[in-house]
Parts: sequence; structure tokens; C-alpha cells
Amino acid sequence: KNQVEQSPQSLIILEGKNCTLQCNYTVSPFSNLRWYKQDTGRGPVSLTIMTFSENTKSNGRYTATLDADTKQSSLHITASQLSDSASYICVVFEGGSQGNLIFGKGTKLSVKP
Amino acid sequence: EAQVTQNPRYLITVTGKKLTVTCSQNMNHEYMSWYRQDPGLGLRQIYYSMNVEVTDKGDVPEGYKVSRKEKRNFPLILESPSPNQTSLYFCASSRQRGGVHEQYFGPGTRLTVT
Repeated sequence: KNQVEQSPQSLIILEGKNCTLQCNYTVSPFSNLRWYKQDTGRGPVSLTIMTFSENTKSNGRYTATLDADTKQSSLHITASQLSDSASYICVVFEGGSQGNLIFGKGTKLSVKP
Repeated sequence: EAQVTQNPRYLITVTGKKLTVTCSQNMNHEYMSWYRQDPGLGLRQIYYSMNVEVTDKGDVPEGYKVSRKEKRNFPLILESPSPNQTSLYFCASSRQRGGVHEQYFGPGTRLTVT
């Protein structure tokens, strides 16, 4: 069964610290992997989209990595800010003509001063 | 400004009273979809539409209807809402279903059914 698992479920860090969120997937065939940031009560906003051939992509202080062999991705946040407090959702796009988006349940990150 | 809009943003209603949540996008996207988000369950797709007059069921379609008469609009209809449909609803659109096109989400509609 196609699944996307994220860890940890929640995370609390101090402002200025770095953190890494994990995403493991079993989706096949694979088309691309996306990380979204969702502020409380708002719609998800795309951070990165990575295809099979890309193994790292940055968006400001956010860096996503992808290992298509082990089916793992990570999102690294550098020098965290209070505004990074949000849920981060990993989404894998299934390949093929009937491709679906498979959503992880998200990691809730809290950045404390 | 490119955006997906939803209305209403908040709604409290009673069991059995038909309601419609509107969704509109100004990006000329072919693909639109509806999701519900519940604690511990993440985002689950309700219905999607690949183009005008083309709609299909997602993972949790029971109790919902949609229509796609125009490219920009994709309303979600609850004919007879029940308390288990209390949730946060998101509409999304993208240029097409496949490939690496970004999916844009609306701001969400928080629905409470009593």
C-alpha cells in the first residue's frame, strides 16, 4: 500500500537552532516529492518539489534532500525562527496516468524563544 | 495575484441542512480538488476534477458532491451534513494532475455540524 510516514510527529526547538524532519515513503511508481508548510488554520504552502533525479533542493533556510533508492526525504531548517512554527507536510506524487498525491500526516514544529 | 479563494471561511450549521462551500481560482488551472483535514489523519482527498465537466471520487467522497461547470469554480456540496463532517476543508488547484506543477491551496473553510 502506498504510504508516506513522517517523523517526528511533533518537535520543539529553541529559536536559532537547526532541525531535521524525516519522511519515508513506499509510493510506487514515484513521480515527485513535495514539502509543504502549513501555518495553523491556513492552507499548505509549497516549499520544495523534487523529482527522481534531484537529491537536494533549497528554498532559503529550508533544504530538502531525497534518496530515491532508500525512499527517504528530509527537510532541514537552518537557524530557526519563531515564524517557522507550523506543520510540515511531506507529499509524494504517484507516477503513472492515474497518479495520486499521497500525504503524510505532518510534523508539528514549535520554535520557542 | 494568483490565488485560490474559498467561502465561507467559517460555518456552523445543523445536521441535515444543505450547504455549499465555494472554491474559485484565477490561474486557469485544469485540475482542482477538495480535501478535508482532521487531527491525526492529515489531508484526505474528497473529490477532484481534471477539467470542466470531469469529476471523480477521491479517498473519502461519501456525503459530498461536487460540480465543475466552469474552469475557475469547483463548489463542494453537502446535501445532508452530519456531525462527522465537522472538519477543516481545503480546495486546491494546479495546472494539470501530473508532472511537477505546484498545487495551490485555498485558505480553508472550518465547518462545524451540530
